[in-house]
Amino acid sequence: GENVEQHPSTLSVQEGDSAVIKCTYSDSASNYFPWYKQELGKRPQLIIDIRSNVGEKKDQRIAVTLNKTAKHFSLHITETQPEDSAVYFCAASMPPLGGGTSYGKLTFGQGTILTVHP
Amino acid sequence: EAGVAQSPRYKIIEKRQSVAFWCNPISGHATLYWYQQILGQGPKLLIQFQNNGVVDDSQLPKDRFSAERLKGVDSTLKIQPAKLEDSAVYLCASSLFPWTTVSGNTIYFGEGSWLTVV
Repeated sequence: GENVEQHPSTLSVQEGDSAVIKCTYSDSASNYFPWYKQELGKRPQLIIDIRSNVGEKKDQRIAVTLNKTAKHFSLHITETQPEDSAVYFCAASMPPLGGGTSYGKLTFGQGTILTVHP
Repeated sequence: EAGVAQSPRYKIIEKRQSVAFWCNPISGHATLYWYQQILGQGPKLLIQFQNNGVVDDSQLPKDRFSAERLKGVDSTLKIQPAKLEDSAVYLCASSLFPWTTVSGNTIYFGEGSWLTVV
C-alpha cells in the first residue's frame, strides 16, 4: 500500500519568515495530495490540495508544489503568522482500482509541528 | 453547514472494558470514515463506509473493533475489550463520494473522541 513520509517533524520560524514542509510518497499511482492543518485539540481541516495534473497551486499565503517524477510534494507558507502555529499533515490517495477496495483512501504523513514565534 | 458530530468527546476506561463512539456525518454525505489518531502520528483509516456498506476495513483490528452504519447515516465504532494501545483520538469523517480524487470531494473531519485506556 501507499506510504507517506513527512519532514521535518518540528519546524520553528520567526513571524514573517517562510516555512516549507516536504512529503514523499511511495506509490506512483497516487494522484491526489491534500494538506490538513490541525490545531491543538481540534479537527484536521483541509487547507489546500493538489491533483497530479498540475505542478503548483497557490491560495494567498500558502502554496503546494508537486514533483511526480520524484514522488514528492511540498507545502510552502509565506509571511508566517503566530496563528499558523499548528500540526500540518500531508496525505496521498490514488484512484479506485477496478472497483476494488482502494476507494481513494487517504494515507497521512506523520505530521509537522509548526511554531511561529512573534 | 453543520459539521460532523461525534460523541462522547472524552472517555477514560480501564483495560478490558468496552467503549462505543457515535458519529453523525454531514447531511447528504454517503461516505463515512473512522480514523484512529495516536498522539504524535497522522490519522490512520480504520474503516470506510459507502452508505451502509463497508468498502475498506483492512486496517480494522477485527478481534476487538467493530463498526456499523445500519441506516446509511449515523455510525458507531465499538472497542471490546480495550487495550492500553487503543488510547487515541477516534476521528469520524465524511465526504459526498468515496473517491477523494473527484474534484471538490473534500473529506470533513469531526472534532474526535479522545479515548484513554488505563
